[in-house]
Amino acid sequence: IAGITQAPTSQILAAGRRMTLRCTQDMRHNAMYWYRQDLGLGLRLIHYSNTAGTTGKGEVPDGYSVSRANTDDFPLTLASAVPSQTSVYFCASSEQPTSAHEQFFGPGTRLTVL
Amino acid sequence: AQSVAQPEDQVNVAEGNPLTVKCTYSVSGNPYLFWYVQYPNRGLQFLLKYITGDNLVKGSYGFEAEFNKSQTSFHLKKPSALVSDSALYFCAVRGLTSGTYKYIFGTGTRLKVLA
Repeated sequence: IAGITQAPTSQILAAGRRMTLRCTQDMRHNAMYWYRQDLGLGLRLIHYSNTAGTTGKGEVPDGYSVSRANTDDFPLTLASAVPSQTSVYFCASSEQPTSAHEQFFGPGTRLTVL
Repeated sequence: AQSVAQPEDQVNVAEGNPLTVKCTYSVSGNPYLFWYVQYPNRGLQFLLKYITGDNLVKGSYGFEAEFNKSQTSFHLKKPSALVSDSALYFCAVRGLTSGTYKYIFGTGTRLKVLA
C-alpha cells in the first residue's frame, strides 16, 4: 500500500441500507478527513479526526458517522442511506491537523443511492 | 467566517499561452493557501501552498501562484499551458474555525487547454 486506499471503488445502494466506506493510510498521518464532492459544490467536509481516538463534525455531518480506532483506518458509515447521499466520497489525510501540511487524497468512492 | 471563491467555472486557453486560474479568500488571521488538481476519476493532488514569506510560490508541473494580501487573492498561473494541464483545479484555505484547523475548498475551476 502506498498512500491512501479506499474501498469500494463504486457502489449502488438501495435507500435505507447501511453502508460503510473504508479508508486506510500507510503514512502514519495523525489527521484524517472525509469529504463528499458534488457538481457545483466542490468538496465539503463530512467528518474529521485530528488523531486516533478523536473525531469531529465537519460542514455536512448529518446521516454519517465515523470512528478512528487506530492511526491507519477511518471508516465512514451511512446508517440508513438516502438518495441525497449519492456523491463521490474522498478520504484524505495530513501529517498534523494544526499545521500547514497539505492533504493527501484517496482515489474516491462513487456511491449511488437509489 | 472563512470562505474561498473561484469565480470562473471554466477557463479555456490555447496550448503555449499563459494561464491564470483565479482564487480569492476570506479568513481571520494569517491564511494558509493551497492549490490542488484533480484529473478525471482521481483524487485531488497537491500542487503548491503559501504559508509565509515570498509572495510568489512555485509548485509542481511548472505551476506557480501569487499571494496578494491586499486583494486577498491567490491566483494560480503557468507561463505556457500544456494540453495535459486540462483538469479541475481547486483552491483551498486553511484557518482556525471553532478551535480546529479546517480546510475550506473552493468550488473548482475546470481548465481546458486547446491544442
